[in-house]
Amino acid sequence: EVQLVESGGGLVQPGGSLRLSCAASGFTFSSYDMHWVRQATGKGLEWVSAIGTAGDTYYPGSVKGRFTISRENAKNSLYLQMNSLRAEDTAVYYCARYGPGIDAFDIWGQGTMVTVSS
Amino acid sequence: DIQLTQSPSFLSASVGDRVTITCRASQGISSYLAWYQQKPGKAPKLLIYAASTLQSGVPSRFSGSGSGTEFTLTISSLQPEDFATYYCQQLNSYPPLTFGGGTKVEIK
Repeated sequence: EVQLVESGGGLVQPGGSLRLSCAASGFTFSSYDMHWVRQATGKGLEWVSAIGTAGDTYYPGSVKGRFTISRENAKNSLYLQMNSLRAEDTAVYYCARYGPGIDAFDIWGQGTMVTVSS
Repeated sequence: DIQLTQSPSFLSASVGDRVTITCRASQGISSYLAWYQQKPGKAPKLLIYAASTLQSGVPSRFSGSGSGTEFTLTISSLQPEDFATYYCQQLNSYPPLTFGGGTKVEIK
């Protein structure tokens, strides 16, 4: 079964750091671009970062310089290192697979909750 | 950045109704548009990609159309399991990838 499972969420103080993980299974992880998307409670979806198969990375302005996406193909794992966290980073974080040839996110994880609060 | 504007943001409909949701892009995005369905507490689910191609396993009552700057998602006959929030997403250029604000479909 094709599956993505996130972990690493939790409560962190403003200015703190957290590392999210996404474990992939059921497909050749190294062959796919991967993304992180977040959703604050009651709000819409916000794209957070992307990493290509060659390790190229992309971020929106809201997290650039604070978040770092990485991948470890040998472990079928995707990561999101989040530093200098702010209250507005509080959200459910999803990892998602970018389906080649369909240009969309065809597989999503179940999400992990990050709460930034003192 | 490309902005996506969905309308309406909320709609109330009955089982069996035909429902249409619109997504407008601030600049042309060819057919690089996807639609997702999200139910409370769940991850989004891909319904349509490339503006009009139905994802495998998605019921045929869902359809998409459009190109350039205007797109629509249509549910031909609303079913109880279709009550959810729907998002469009542009994949023409990034960063940033962008989503529409969402359309919540509720039972009348």
